[in-house]
Amino acid sequence: NAGVTQTPKFRVLKTGQSMTLLCAQDMNHEYMYWYRQDPGMGLRLIHYSVGEGTTAKGEVPDGYNVSRLKKQNFLLGLESAAPSQTSVYFCASSYSNGNTIYFGEGSWLTVV
Amino acid sequence: AQKITQTQPGMFVQEKEAVTLDCTYDTSDPSYGLFWYKQPSSGEMIFLIYQGSYDQQNATEGRYSLNFQKARKSANLVISASQLGDSAMYFCAMRERETSYDKVIFGPGTSLSVIP
Repeated sequence: NAGVTQTPKFRVLKTGQSMTLLCAQDMNHEYMYWYRQDPGMGLRLIHYSVGEGTTAKGEVPDGYNVSRLKKQNFLLGLESAAPSQTSVYFCASSYSNGNTIYFGEGSWLTVV
Repeated sequence: AQKITQTQPGMFVQEKEAVTLDCTYDTSDPSYGLFWYKQPSSGEMIFLIYQGSYDQQNATEGRYSLNFQKARKSANLVISASQLGDSAMYFCAMRERETSYDKVIFGPGTSLSVIP
């Protein structure tokens, strides 16, 4: 029972490099979310998706792009990584009016 | 403006005592939901409890209960009979509809330490 799976778990990037974080869920959830977590700031919503092919901006979308080509996958892209994007990234999914949000284990990203 | 406020950055509680973690929120959506999550030092996000805005009764899940005061826009988490394993970060979150879609946002969290 996989739930929400994030890859990679850890990554070190150089400033200016690009990368993609992949989130996959096997619960047939409509909604998927990408958050970043920084010390003292809780989880901040980057982008989210309400269904295949539909995405929306969250609280801190700048510097990130997303795509949801398949219902089970939600990709988070960093086109030109900056040290300010060093963070822990969490993916989550839920039903549209669900009373539970399921989280992945997190991805630790360091930009040097 | 902060949509979700958790005014207690850090809390201490004696083992076996009850503790209340505060959460206030701000929304104009009449149909919203409130969540509490626990994040231990290992980093995973653990769902604790959910309250819908139209739910008549306060939610309870084992030792967790949610003190929902709708008029005050308050959704405090009460943990009864604290255990050492309750030491963790606790996050309040809200699902609300903005423009066309629901989104879920989190508060800054409260760090709880349980003292033996």
